[in-house]
Amino acid sequence: DGGITQSPKYLFRKEGQNVTLSCEQNLNHDAMYWYRQDPGQGLRLIYYSQIVNDFQKGDIAEGYSVSREKKESFPLTVTSAQKNPTAFYLCASGQGIVRMNTEAFFGQGTRLTVV
Amino acid sequence: DQQVKQNSPSLSVQEGRISILNCDYTNSMFDYFLWYKKYPAEGPTFLISISSIKDKNEDGRFTVFLNKSAKHLSLHIVPSQPGDSAVYFCAASAENYGGSQGNLIFGKGTKLSVKP
Repeated sequence: DGGITQSPKYLFRKEGQNVTLSCEQNLNHDAMYWYRQDPGQGLRLIYYSQIVNDFQKGDIAEGYSVSREKKESFPLTVTSAQKNPTAFYLCASGQGIVRMNTEAFFGQGTRLTVV
Repeated sequence: DQQVKQNSPSLSVQEGRISILNCDYTNSMFDYFLWYKKYPAEGPTFLISISSIKDKNEDGRFTVFLNKSAKHLSLHIVPSQPGDSAVYFCAASAENYGGSQGNLIFGKGTKLSVKP
C-alpha cells in the first residue's frame, strides 16, 4: 500500500535534548513538507524539500533541522534551541517539483511532548 | 499577517442540514484552493479542491464555491452527517509565492459538529 508514515506516534523528550521525527513515503513524490499544529492554530510550515538533497526553510524553521538524502525520507530534528517544541507534527508529501497543485498527503502525525 | 482566514472557529449543524464553512484570503496570487478534513490525533486528509479558473467544484455531498472578486471560498456539505464532525482546514497555493512555490498556506481551521 502506498502512503506516508510518521513514527513514532507519541514522543517524549527531556528539556535540552534533541529528538528526530521520522517521515517516510512510498508514493514517489518529489516534494515533502513538515508542518506543526498547535491548538487554535492552522498548520504552520517548518521546512520543505522539493527535490532530493535540497530543502528550504518554511515560516517557523528556527530550532529545527532536516535532511533529504533519499527521496523517500525527510526526517525532522527538533533541537534544544526550539523554545516551545511541544506540539503535533505533521509530515506531508506531494507530486511535482515546482507546484503542489494537487492534494498533499499527510502522515498520521507525531505528538511531541517535552517533559 | 494571516493570508488565509477561517473566521469561525466552530460550527454546529443538525444532521441532514447544510453545513457551510467559509474561508477568506488576502493574497491575490493564490490560484488553487483546497479543503482538508482532520480528525483528532490524525493527519489531515484531502477533501476537495478548486482552481481559480472555476467558480464551483462538486464531489458528492461536497461543493466548493470560489468568489475571486471577494477573495472568498466556501465549502458546502449537504446533507451533513455525524461522521462529518471534524476540523476543516482551508488551504491556498500560488504558483509563485516568494520562494515557496506551490506551498500550501493553511487557515486555522473550523471545527464542525454535526448533531444527530
